[in-house]
Amino acid sequence: AQSVTQPDIHITVSEGASLELRCNYSYGATPYLFWYVQSPGQGLQLLLKYFSGDTLVQGIKGFEAEFKRSQSSFNLRKPSVHWSDAAEYFCAVGALQAGTALIFGKGTTLSVSS
Amino acid sequence: DTEVTQTPKHLVMGMTNKKSLKCEQHMGHRAMYWYKQKAKKPPELMFVYSYEKLSINESVPSRFSPECPNSSLLNLHLHALQPEDSALYLCASSQGGSLAEAFFGQGTRLTVV
Repeated sequence: AQSVTQPDIHITVSEGASLELRCNYSYGATPYLFWYVQSPGQGLQLLLKYFSGDTLVQGIKGFEAEFKRSQSSFNLRKPSVHWSDAAEYFCAVGALQAGTALIFGKGTTLSVSS
Repeated sequence: DTEVTQTPKHLVMGMTNKKSLKCEQHMGHRAMYWYKQKAKKPPELMFVYSYEKLSINESVPSRFSPECPNSSLLNLHLHALQPEDSALYLCASSQGGSLAEAFFGQGTRLTVV
């Protein structure tokens, strides 16, 4: 079955500290992986994506993620968190075939303490 | 222009009302999507339009009726909704028929009273 697991429901990080959000996937075909961020009451914004090639991908707002096929993981990282990073983060997996749609994880809520 | 525009931003409707949600994009994307999102939950796919034809309907109740008048517009017609239909409704669009590089609108916050 195709699925995405985000093991951490809620994470609190001190401002300036590093961050890692975990994502594991199960997908039969070649996975295309995404991280989205959502502020309260807002739509989803794409942070970064992995299709192929270099397994370390850079995204917007200083985020990066590393694809590890052997571990079926696509963890999101940021070296120094800012208070404005507090939001909901969704990992998603999809395919490029026509008519397919993203499968989202349940999300991780990030709180940033001062 | 890399925006997906949804109107209205907020909507309160009674259970006997008929209303419509609108979504517009001018990026030349040929796939458009409706998602429903409850609080603290991931988005749930409702409908997919590919090249202006309905390609996926995720067993959505008939009180939700999608319409794609042209490649830039996507509507969601609402009729006889229930309070449990209150949610954030998100529209998205992408190139071709896949959801790769999807762009999401800001959503319509719907409250059914």
